[in-house]
Amino acid sequence: TQLLEQSPQFLSIQEGENLTVYCNSSSVFSSLQWYRQEPGEGPVLLVTVVTGGEVKKLKRLTFQFGDARKDSSLHITAAQPGDTGLYLCAGAKSDMRFGAGTRLTVKP
Amino acid sequence: DAGITQSPRYKITETGRQVTLMCHQTWSHSYMFWYRQDLGHGLRLIYYSAAADITDKGEVPDGYVVSRSKTENFPLTLESATRSQTSVYFCAGSTGRTYEQYFGPGTRLTVT
Repeated sequence: TQLLEQSPQFLSIQEGENLTVYCNSSSVFSSLQWYRQEPGEGPVLLVTVVTGGEVKKLKRLTFQFGDARKDSSLHITAAQPGDTGLYLCAGAKSDMRFGAGTRLTVKP
Repeated sequence: DAGITQSPRYKITETGRQVTLMCHQTWSHSYMFWYRQDLGHGLRLIYYSAAADITDKGEVPDGYVVSRSKTENFPLTLESATRSQTSVYFCAGSTGRTYEQYFGPGTRLTVT
């Protein structure tokens, strides 16, 4: 059983569409990180959220940490083919725990 | 600035053989980690190290051994490889146990 559940597992959309992916848990985390991983490479950090209710924006990406610090969402506006990849969330407790990821494909 | 390098990038070995995956950092991160990534499971922590000569088990340590005699190197050894250890292995470095992690490119290991 994953400590962090990510949904959907797979998502395929057309360029220009908006999307939201989710990272849920029954555990409280001191912080939560989002990474993007491209094929044949290691994950790369996108953002860290620390405070419950916190919202961070990174160009067309909006990250939100749940009020209770148990869940998070990533919203992408006007998706582009360059957004294609595996999006991983990771929650910090005594150590980092990763979700299984959402594999996003953006078709031109 | 290579950051975290891993070698080999691809490895095929037979059941029962010993195999060592190498990890080297050009930075001075105190923490280093080994993960395995499997479909449906995400990244699972095998071992981590807080400093030279200090290592500790993660979520899935059985069948693996690590050492860290120098800060920059953190090799992972499979003492007697099994097919269930077929996976992609990632090494990562960080300034803290729960801080941002910088990952290497991974080693794809196949045990036949």
